[in-house]
Amino acid sequence: DAGVTQSPTHLIKTRGQQVTLRCSPKSGHDTVSWYQQALGQGPQFIFQYYEEEERQRGNFPDRFSGHQFPNYSSELNVNALLLGDSALYLCASRLKWGDEQYFGPGTRLTVT
Amino acid sequence: AQKITQTQPGMFVQEKEAVTLDCTYDTSDPSYGLFWYKQPSSGEMIFLIYQGSYDQQNATEGRYSLNFQKARKSANLVISASQLGDSAMYFCAMREGETSYDKVIFGPGTSLSVIP
Repeated sequence: DAGVTQSPTHLIKTRGQQVTLRCSPKSGHDTVSWYQQALGQGPQFIFQYYEEEERQRGNFPDRFSGHQFPNYSSELNVNALLLGDSALYLCASRLKWGDEQYFGPGTRLTVT
Repeated sequence: AQKITQTQPGMFVQEKEAVTLDCTYDTSDPSYGLFWYKQPSSGEMIFLIYQGSYDQQNATEGRYSLNFQKARKSANLVISASQLGDSAMYFCAMREGETSYDKVIFGPGTSLSVIP
């Protein structure tokens, strides 16, 4: 049973560029959430997708956008990258009515 | 306002001893869920234990137990018989509401070091 997978593992981008991160949820899970974790801090909720629509959003600017595909996989897009966007980006999945949320290994984004 | 408070930035425990990691939360929603996650240096967030606000008994999962005191709004994690592999960051988190479109809020974390 495959867990949550994310790609790429590491990414280095230049300020002003755009980036796309990918996530495949745990088998059978239909709800995907994205989190940003800055160094030394707890994860911050970005948004959540269910049935291919954004259902909840945290305090992140419109530069952060996402998508969920019919197979429940998801993408996180960040435009006009800032140095402050450097962080570990975590994807989590769960069943719609499930309690347990499982995380992927994360994508470490460095903006220079 | 801080919704999840973890007042212990760092903790040390002797191998095979028990340790309690503190967590207090703030919510006015009668329905909520509390989580504990472990994050080793590799970065992956590992689910440990869950407690629902209406659960009558404290949750337990192997060596992990959650000391849930609803009136005090605390949800402390107890790790029994600590192992060297327990050294990691530990995050307390909360989900408010019963809808499927809810978000999980994390605390700042506690770094646990297990000493041989």
